[in-house]
Order: sequence, then C-alpha cells, then structure tokens
Amino acid sequence: QVQLQESGPGLAKPSQTLSLTCTVSGGSISSGGYFWTWIRQPPGEGLEWIGYIYYSGTTYYNPSLKSRLTISVDTSKNQFSLKLSSVTAADTAVYYCARGRDDYRLPDWGLGTLVTVSS
Amino acid sequence: SYVLTQPPSVSVAPGQTARITCGGNNIGSKSVHWYHQKPGQAPVLVVYDDSDRPSGIPERFSGSNSGNAATLTISRVEAGDEAGYYCQVWDSTSDHLDVVFGGGTKLTVL
Repeated sequence: QVQLQESGPGLAKPSQTLSLTCTVSGGSISSGGYFWTWIRQPPGEGLEWIGYIYYSGTTYYNPSLKSRLTISVDTSKNQFSLKLSSVTAADTAVYYCARGRDDYRLPDWGLGTLVTVSS
Repeated sequence: SYVLTQPPSVSVAPGQTARITCGGNNIGSKSVHWYHQKPGQAPVLVVYDDSDRPSGIPERFSGSNSGNAATLTISRVEAGDEAGYYCQVWDSTSDHLDVVFGGGTKLTVL
C-alpha cells in the first residue's frame, strides 16, 4: 500500500514562496499509470485542485494558479514538490498530496499539512 | 472551466437513505468519483467510475450517473457516515486537462 507524506514549513510570509514536498513510500513514483497531484483546502472550505505531474515531468496546473505555480518530481528521492510564489492570506490552507490513477480517481492521499500565510 | 454543483447540506435519519447529487453539463459522459471527508482527516475515495467501490467500502455506498447529474446513494445511513462528501471528475473538454471537484455536501445524520 503506497503512503504519501507532506513536509515543509507551516508558516509562510506574504509575498514569499510556499514550498512543500511529498515523499512517497511503498511504491515507486516512476510507476506507469499514475500521476502525482497537489490539492488544498482552506479552513472550513472545499477541496481545490492545484496541479499534477507525471514521473516524466509533464505537468498540468490549475489555470487560476498557473502563473505562480511550479510542480516538480525527483524520481531518485521518490518525491514530488510544490512551489507557490507571491503567497497571500488566501493561500492559507491544508495542502494534500495524492496519487492518481489513469481514470483520474485519487485513491491515495497524504494526511495533509496546514500552511498559514501570515506576517 | 467545468463546474460541478452540489447541495451544501443533506440531512437524514439513521437507517434511512441519503442521496447526494452532483450536477454538471453532460456529466453523464464523464467518470465521476466520490470522496468522504471527516473533520481533520484526508478525503477517502468511496465510489469511483460512477458506481464502483474500492475494497473496504461498504455496499451501502453506491453511485449512478446520467444526463446532467450524478448521485451518491448511502443506504441504511449510520452515525459514522456523517461527513463532507465531494464529487470529482476530469475535464478534458477545454484546452486544459483539469481535475475538478464539486463544492462539497455536508451530510448530517439526525
């Protein structure tokens, strides 16, 4: 059973870059048929898709975040990462990483990590 | 961009049947996935590809999808089913390849 775990600072200052890493265990990030995605959930609100990446490095981003977003993969470390620049309080959320299947379902999720944007 | 519409809340008594809808333009042509999420926890996939269940999900959870609406049905509702429920599709009809979530429905067990 694959496991995913988010890591990174829990606090970011306005205008700075939010950086998170998702470490995958129990399976290879290079396995075919999967994609690796970030999703966030502001406090008390619903789920928002951020973007996803294949092990080849091909990425797809939420158009509303695309100008500030970079998702990358490090197959040697079995990790993928998120960088979101020029953050504001509106980026405060629990950030989840997840694994997606070829039909775009998301059966495997990390526990999530809260990132607060505040000075 | 593609929009999925869910009712904000649904209430049902224990033992009854809960139905949560997910509306979208011609959603019947897409595969719909459903998740439940309890407070402080990550979402859990409960139905995928409209009506299939992952291993470990009770048969009480079922799904359907046709026309402009998909439905998650929870039979013989239990107190432990109280949670947020989200539908999700993949939208490839524009120049994007987007994962799309509905706004979520809070299921309250009376």
